[in-house]
Amino acid sequence: QLVESGGGVVQAGRSLRLSCSASGFTFNDYLLHWVRQAPGKGLEWLALLSYDESRKSLKDSVIGRFTISRNNFKNTLYLQMNSLEVDDTALYYCARSREGTPFDKWGQGTLVTVSS
Amino acid sequence: SYVLTQAPSVSVAPGETASITCVRNNIESEIVHWYQQQPGQAPVLVISYNNDRPSGIPARFSGSSSGNTATLTISRVEAGDEADYYCQVWDFNRDYWVFGGGTKLTVL
Repeated sequence: QLVESGGGVVQAGRSLRLSCSASGFTFNDYLLHWVRQAPGKGLEWLALLSYDESRKSLKDSVIGRFTISRNNFKNTLYLQMNSLEVDDTALYYCARSREGTPFDKWGQGTLVTVSS
Repeated sequence: SYVLTQAPSVSVAPGETASITCVRNNIESEIVHWYQQQPGQAPVLVISYNNDRPSGIPARFSGSSSGNTATLTISRVEAGDEADYYCQVWDFNRDYWVFGGGTKLTVL
């Protein structure tokens, strides 16, 4: 399973680090992703990271503010979010896939609320 | 930019067939995946690679793609199918994953 944590209420301009703890599968076999969903809105893919970090991709709109990383010893994925904006308010999911495959497992999400 | 267009809502009576579309120029040349998101729940993959059903997904769910439109078809719709549905495609040029805007299926 995938379990996200680290969400909360934060003021605009501040930082937050989200974590996604994985269990029950071989962590290193999968690409990991962050996807967010603003209240009442659709899904927005944000970032992906391969097990060895050789493949890393972020959506243009978060480049320079968000960083994705992982600790394969702790089976944990991270999303460092800096300079947060009110529009970053969302439920943040982590999900897994293999190379070129869809997302076959998702966490339940962690809620980030950015106040002005 | 890479945009997948979905109708915001579709309504269907129980037992009828629901068609949920995802539009992009020449989408038939892409591989499309579909997710179901029940209220308050994480998304669940219901169709992969245009028309493959993951284990546990009923055969009532099917997918197709032609021209500029990919379609998720749900036959013999049940009340429990009421959910939001999202299409997804991989933009290999930018190594991005892209979701459609989502379609809310209402079972009347």
